[in-house]
Amino acid sequence: DTEVTQTPKHLVMGMTNKKSLKCEQHMGHRAMYWYKQKAKKPPELMFVYSYEKLSINESVPSRFSPECPNSSLLNLHLHALQPEDSALYLCASSQVPLAGREQYFGPGTRLTVT
Amino acid sequence: GNSVTQMEGPVTLSEEAFLTINCTYTATGYPSLFWYVQYPGEGLQLLLKATKADDKGSNKGFEATYRKETTSFHLEKGSVQVSDSAVYFCAIGGSQGNLIFGKGTKLSVKP
Repeated sequence: DTEVTQTPKHLVMGMTNKKSLKCEQHMGHRAMYWYKQKAKKPPELMFVYSYEKLSINESVPSRFSPECPNSSLLNLHLHALQPEDSALYLCASSQVPLAGREQYFGPGTRLTVT
Repeated sequence: GNSVTQMEGPVTLSEEAFLTINCTYTATGYPSLFWYVQYPGEGLQLLLKATKADDKGSNKGFEATYRKETTSFHLEKGSVQVSDSAVYFCAIGGSQGNLIFGKGTKLSVKP
């Protein structure tokens, strides 16, 4: 089973709202990732969690707050977003956070900020 | 740092045509190389990978060979189907386990 699940599938939120995106994997993977993908663009790395610890933050604004409660779960808390934050948010996982390991992606959450 | 350059397309082919999508890379060391596919409205799926020079990755009729001498990892398929219509991303492994993607190539296959 190489499944990564993400909820919700779609999310519409206002600029003053607080919402959370959820990602789950049960493959025993110890690295988890958040990517942001704008239309017709490749995914851009946001955060990397390695053994439940934040190891990479790609200069993401503080209105995005990641959390890794355990090795299977990854959350992305959203607050005071801007319309330009509308995008597809993809979660991925890999067996270990080492170069050369393939990543498995979830279906994504399509976020619209109004 | 590592980077990839792939042909941007869009590429439009008739069913059963031969497909090539070019991808070249710049890297220090010997990173792994990947092709991912994204169908409309979906996340990315790993299509194939290669971890060292002269490795050939293959899956679902798609193939790509890790060519160190030309720093390339071109994607090929002998006979495309309408169901292959998607966006294809070439990717290279970064030093911290991350992936660095090319800009993507949209493929449309007409019946």
